[in-house]
Amino acid sequence: GEDVEQSLFLSVREGDSSVINCTYTDSSSTYLYWYKQEPGAGLQLLTYIFSNMDMKQDQRLTVLLNKKDKHLSLRIADTQTGDSAIYFCAESIRDNTDKLIFGTGTRLQVFP
Amino acid sequence: EPEVTQTPSHQVTQMGQEVILRCVPISNHLYFYWYRQILGQKVEFLVSFYNNEISEKSEIFDDQFSVERPDGSNFTLKIRSTKLEDSAMYFCASTEGGQPQHFGDGTRLSIL
Repeated sequence: GEDVEQSLFLSVREGDSSVINCTYTDSSSTYLYWYKQEPGAGLQLLTYIFSNMDMKQDQRLTVLLNKKDKHLSLRIADTQTGDSAIYFCAESIRDNTDKLIFGTGTRLQVFP
Repeated sequence: EPEVTQTPSHQVTQMGQEVILRCVPISNHLYFYWYRQILGQKVEFLVSFYNNEISEKSEIFDDQFSVERPDGSNFTLKIRSTKLEDSAMYFCASTEGGQPQHFGDGTRLSIL
């Protein structure tokens, strides 16, 4: 079946790097995504990686994909208090709909 | 940058009443989706829509739910007879296909 797991909480000091991890089960994923959700707000697409890539860097964000272990991570460099939010990883399933299966979300708390 | 818009931002309805949630996807997108997020839980896929018909629906999307694209711009989700457990945030998303899904800010549905 399709399942995406994340750790629930991460707390980091401002200026440090944050690493949020995700594991998934469906090997037929086409894309894997990271979305950010601030309190009471919608889902903001942060970045995504195609399933045949290992790494993608976008300014402070680095995505690593280990397809063999079905493990995805998001590294945020120089974490700021404005990065405090819930981060969801999601995989799109290779079928006729490309629906997204979301993880449980990781709440990132950045303290000064 | 074009965006997905959803209205209303908050809907309060009595149990048993019908409710219609509205979405305007990005204009050149062809694939449309509804997702649901119960408070504190993960985002769950409800239904996908392409070429004026449902392409996939989840177990949550029972006979009480329906979707429609009544004109060239709107995409609606109707819940025929709401239940308390329908209280959630409902997100609309769209994509041109093979690309990341873009989400609206969501409609918070509160059933009394």
